[in-house]
Amino acid sequence: QLVLTQSPSASASLGASVKLTCTLTSGHTNYAIAWHQQQPEKGPRFLMKINSDGSHTKGDGIPDRFSGSSSGAERYLTISSLQSEDEADYYCQTWGTGIRVFGGGTKLTVL
Amino acid sequence: EVQLVESGGGLVKPGESLRLSCVASGFTFSPYGMNWVRQAPGKGLEWVSYIDTIGSGYIYYADSVKGRFTISRDDAKNSLYLQLNSLRAEDTAVYYCARKQITGTTVGAFDVWGQGTLVTVSS
Repeated sequence: QLVLTQSPSASASLGASVKLTCTLTSGHTNYAIAWHQQQPEKGPRFLMKINSDGSHTKGDGIPDRFSGSSSGAERYLTISSLQSEDEADYYCQTWGTGIRVFGGGTKLTVL
Repeated sequence: EVQLVESGGGLVKPGESLRLSCVASGFTFSPYGMNWVRQAPGKGLEWVSYIDTIGSGYIYYADSVKGRFTISRDDAKNSLYLQLNSLRAEDTAVYYCARKQITGTTVGAFDVWGQGTLVTVSS
């Protein structure tokens, strides 16, 4: 079964960096994923797609502070130079034939 | 500006129906597969349905809505629809439409999202 696992919460200080993790289930470790940001009371916004080899393509207008990487079953979103507007929920998403799956989301608090 | 705008949400009673619309602008609508995604109050994102380009005929539903919801599109109107029948309290959510990246297949990342429309099912 295709499942994505995310930690429910994360926190980091203003100006620091944070690395969020999305873990694919066994048997699906070569899947690409996408990261989406949802700021409070807003719709989601596409950040980037990350392939199993770590290559990634970002959405239009996404700052260089946002980057992606991959290792085994894990896909990462790294946000550097944290700003207050980065405080949001972050969802990973993947897909298979006939199915699209979201992780449970990580709530990022900027201290 | 690339944009998706949903409408049609509202308050309905259990068992009733509703039709949601999503109008696309700023890009050529017809080559893109499109999705509906929902978010219950205080919860995460849940994929609901996908429709591929008109020519392919591929349509998929989440098990939670199969047999009750129907997705459709009208490329001449740059519009995506979701017909919601036999609504239940657990269908209460903000419903978003989302565009799938062009990949040449039916799968891919969702790269454009709308702002959502709220559906509330309550007696």
